[in-house]
Amino acid sequence: GDSVTQMEGPVTLSEEAFLTINCTYTATGYPSLFWYVQYPGEGLQLLLKATKADDKGSNKGFEATYRKETTSFHLEKGSVQVSDSAVYFCALSDGYGGSQGNLIFGKGTKLSVKP
Amino acid sequence: EAGVTQFPSHSVIEKGQTVTLRCDPISGHDNLYWYRRVMGKEIKFLLHFVKESKQDESGMPNNRFLAERTGGTYSTLKVQPAELEDSGVYFCASSSGQGRTDTQYFGPGTRLTVL
Repeated sequence: GDSVTQMEGPVTLSEEAFLTINCTYTATGYPSLFWYVQYPGEGLQLLLKATKADDKGSNKGFEATYRKETTSFHLEKGSVQVSDSAVYFCALSDGYGGSQGNLIFGKGTKLSVKP
Repeated sequence: EAGVTQFPSHSVIEKGQTVTLRCDPISGHDNLYWYRRVMGKEIKFLLHFVKESKQDESGMPNNRFLAERTGGTYSTLKVQPAELEDSGVYFCASSSGQGRTDTQYFGPGTRLTVL
């Protein structure tokens, strides 16, 4: 079945460091890919998404490119801030067969940014 | 526009008791999803409503879980009787469409602790 694998955390970085969180997927059909973020004490928020191969999603300085050839959707940011400390979830939505829009998540990666 | 709300934010019950979780989706969203995150594991899909109908309940773990969405507005998820392994965070999400490209908006979650 469909699955998402993302790098294990926690990840600790200094402010202004470069961030990469790896995410790879397995899917039957042609999925859409998402990054959600959960800040401390809050719910999940959509950070960015891409719906077809080679699309780049971007928001708040974060970017991720849908790479069909490597089945990947790695999250990157050039210069992280303390306020980026959160748990990041990679997810896919396949819509294949009966799974109409159901999201399949990775385990989440906790990011801590130190001043 | 109000987001997805969930009540209660935290519930602590004893094994064998009953708990009911509530979710109010974004107004006008026909699609409502329930997910669960057990400690250290992925966020897992439980079920999907389209208006008041259950579109997909393949993720419901067993018959101790009962979800309803009367009138196609808010939804409840009842656990009866609760077991230790039911502990986790229960998320609700809503969306206007049900395709793989549609964004799901999440509530803050209900943390359930079964003692």
